[in-house]
Amino acid sequence: NAGVTQTPKFRILKIGQSMTLQCAQDMNHNYMYWYRQDPGMGLKLIYYSVGAGITDKGEVPNGYNVSRSTTEDFPLRLELAAPSQTSVYFCASRDPDSSLPNSGNTIYFGEGSWLTVV
Amino acid sequence: GQNIDQPTEMTATEGAIVQINCTYQTSGFNGLFWYQQHAGEAPTFLSYNVLDGLEEKGRFSSFLSRSKGYSYLLLKELQMKDSASYLCAASSNYQLIWGAGTKLIIKP
Repeated sequence: NAGVTQTPKFRILKIGQSMTLQCAQDMNHNYMYWYRQDPGMGLKLIYYSVGAGITDKGEVPNGYNVSRSTTEDFPLRLELAAPSQTSVYFCASRDPDSSLPNSGNTIYFGEGSWLTVV
Repeated sequence: GQNIDQPTEMTATEGAIVQINCTYQTSGFNGLFWYQQHAGEAPTFLSYNVLDGLEEKGRFSSFLSRSKGYSYLLLKELQMKDSASYLCAASSNYQLIWGAGTKLIIKP
């Protein structure tokens, strides 16, 4: 039972380089999220998706792009990396069903990707 | 607007009880999550409250008052391993509004 899988776990980028953080979930969840978390801070939403082919911006989308061609995959693309993008990135998924009280519709997180831009 | 507030840091003693509060203001509220996050790790699920009242799970309990926009997480018989950040998040339609987290420090 893999859950949410993120790769890579650690990466060092040079300023101006590009890369893609991969995220895959095997729970058939419609909702997927990308967050960044700076040291000692809370989670900031970068982008989210409510289903294949649908994506939308969160609080801090600048410098990032996403795609959702399948239910399983939700990659995050960093174009022209900047030092301000040094952070920990978490991918998450859920499948809310508000018709079920206390359904415990858990948010499942990947293990995180530590990115340093130098 | 939408926002969610919780204390930045709390300190408690091993074996004691601590209550971490969370207040929220959202539209289309569905429920309230509590997550635990140890340093360098991903958040892990603790509880999800939809209905008013207290839900108990072992040493941890979570309370919700929808009319007051208020929740708390109660940790009993504190252990050193409970030292972590505790995040509350309000579920609002398809969005999740996260608090900044409360860092809980446990002293022997």
